[in-house]
Amino acid sequence: RKEVEQDPGPFNVPEGATVAFNCTYSNSASQSFFWYRQDCRKEPKLLMSVYSSGNEDGRFTAQLNRASQYISLLIRDSKLSDSATYLCVAANAGGTSYGKLTFGQGTILTVHP
Amino acid sequence: DAGVTQSPTHLIKTRGQQVTLRCSPKSGHDTVSWYQQALGQGPQFIFQYYEEEERQRGNFPDRFSGHQFPNYSSELNVNALLLGDSALYLCASSSPRNTIYFGEGSWLTVV
Repeated sequence: RKEVEQDPGPFNVPEGATVAFNCTYSNSASQSFFWYRQDCRKEPKLLMSVYSSGNEDGRFTAQLNRASQYISLLIRDSKLSDSATYLCVAANAGGTSYGKLTFGQGTILTVHP
Repeated sequence: DAGVTQSPTHLIKTRGQQVTLRCSPKSGHDTVSWYQQALGQGPQFIFQYYEEEERQRGNFPDRFSGHQFPNYSSELNVNALLLGDSALYLCASSSPRNTIYFGEGSWLTVV
């Protein structure tokens, strides 16, 4: 079983749609969680951190349920520019910085006109 | 302020050869991690360097080795290249409890 598992996707949605991505992690020692966005043939970029209390950044809402080891990302009012691969990430501690990042395989989102 | 820089951006090697990839972390960052991303997969952790020492290592063979220099820059070395080593190699830098930044990566093709 993979340490971080995501919806296989791909997701193909019209502009303005709401789309939800789900993710589970198996390592209960994971301490921090993130969603990264990766455009085609580019490096991953941090979209947002995920907190147990839930957090929102504009059209994006992330949730973490530590008891279920479940993470989600909700995108409202999808834009063409949201088309990308979304990566669910769990991190352990390491020295004074975040340690190992464990990535899910990624879910491809395509938003069409 | 330069972000994370990696070199070379693209390279082609033959099976059995050795390769060295280089990474300069973002200014102020002291920790460097390396990841391998195969096509269609998420990045996989290779190892992390802090204070010139390997602090964590992922599930990669000893053919993968690294180094961190006093200026925090880092190298990833892969010996006895296999076709399956073809991937995007990403360097990530960070500082205590701060955002992790990735470089644009080095695309390695083994033929």
